[in-house]
Amino acid sequence: GAGVSQSPRYKVAKRGQDVALRCDPISGHVSLFWYQQALGQGPEFLTYFQNEAQLDKSGLPSDRFFAERPEGSVSTLKIQRTQQEDSAVYLCASSQQGFNSPLHFGNGTRLTVT
Amino acid sequence: GESVGLHLPTLSVQEGDNSIINCAYSNSASDYFIWYKQESGKGPQFIIDIRSNMDKRQGQRVTVLLNKTVKHLSLQIAATQPGDSAVYFCAELPNAGNMLTFGGGTRLMVKP
Repeated sequence: GAGVSQSPRYKVAKRGQDVALRCDPISGHVSLFWYQQALGQGPEFLTYFQNEAQLDKSGLPSDRFFAERPEGSVSTLKIQRTQQEDSAVYLCASSQQGFNSPLHFGNGTRLTVT
Repeated sequence: GESVGLHLPTLSVQEGDNSIINCAYSNSASDYFIWYKQESGKGPQFIIDIRSNMDKRQGQRVTVLLNKTVKHLSLQIAATQPGDSAVYFCAELPNAGNMLTFGGGTRLMVKP
């Protein structure tokens, strides 16, 4: 595709529900990243994939957060038992070569936990 | 769409003037820097990057300046247009690091 695509665009979940956020990276991009952006702040790193391998998950805030990229293309970020503090915009980005080439971001999924 | 940067520092400029957005980065070991533009309801959009072996790089209407001595990065936008109104973030990557870290952002407002 022309750019990084994320779905859904908006997600409202009741506290305690599980959610799954999808990311379709730019075709051919080896690296995929997930970031979390709270209102009024810069994006914060969550996790990073090189092909299907999750090389860094140090930014995931708790064990309720889980990301996968089983075939090295589409990725899913799953949040279990959502809490109000999980409300944020979740951004996905891809790049040709890790962090040393520009990250191209999708428009994000805005998650609201009520 | 949702608003980005409700409480960010704001720079207000007149259309046609030049804009300078500043960023102080934290890690002296950072060797790759990127400026991103984020419009309301959208993801960050790459503008320009610079590596630490350079102190200036120019793009179309934009220039990035890097001062490693004082750990300062700036983005200059020439002839600012209403379409430049957005929140601007600088991001840094430490040498051999694996995490692109974003600064707090500056909101640019262009007055017609």
